[in-house]
Amino acid sequence: DAGITQSPRHKVTETGTPVTLRCHQTENHRYMYWYRQDPGHGLRLIHYSYGVKDTDKGEVSDGYSVSRSKTEDFLLTLESATSSQTSVYFCAISESQGQSPLHFGNGTRLTVT
Amino acid sequence: AQSVAQPEDQVNVAEGNPLTVKCTYSVSGNPYLFWYVQYPNRGLQFLLKYITGDNLVKGSYGFEAEFNKSQTSFHLKKPSALVSDSALYFCAVRDQAGTALIFGKGTTLSVSS
Repeated sequence: DAGITQSPRHKVTETGTPVTLRCHQTENHRYMYWYRQDPGHGLRLIHYSYGVKDTDKGEVSDGYSVSRSKTEDFLLTLESATSSQTSVYFCAISESQGQSPLHFGNGTRLTVT
Repeated sequence: AQSVAQPEDQVNVAEGNPLTVKCTYSVSGNPYLFWYVQYPNRGLQFLLKYITGDNLVKGSYGFEAEFNKSQTSFHLKKPSALVSDSALYFCAVRDQAGTALIFGKGTTLSVSS
């Protein structure tokens, strides 16, 4: 797995609490992404980053924020967790746009009770 | 808007038989197309990509994919399936101006011995 570490791997939290997921890469890739995976929906893009402090929204960004203060770290924050945010969250990186594939971390399984 | 369809939720094939996992796409202009595989409790692994040129693309683990522009399809194939090929397969697309990948909902491949 291409130098991508997600933490924590599993988390259970209560509705209404803030949660931060971390993605750390050692590949020095410019682009980083957060996706969520849900049965019947495949993977859906939450936010992505195209450089330090440069981020943009994806398809399902409501209720999420991101930050990227260093090339290697991309944080995903759930402002106030809801049960609908129970999911598996994947971080991905890519060297460039266009033909460059994404490489994925092993995911964080988040359960909101 | 870009989109990907994987019309089969599940494909069942006997070991040693050829397999096909179907994918159709919609994108403005020329597409970049990708196939990924996901094993349980793991992230997605990149299998192959189509950029331009030959319509038959070869990738990892003996997989190949056939690009058909007129049918806007990019089907994944393997001449002889292995039990170890059993996994969840995702097709993804990116247009030439895009950053993130848009994924299909996934197809579960089950190879029986």
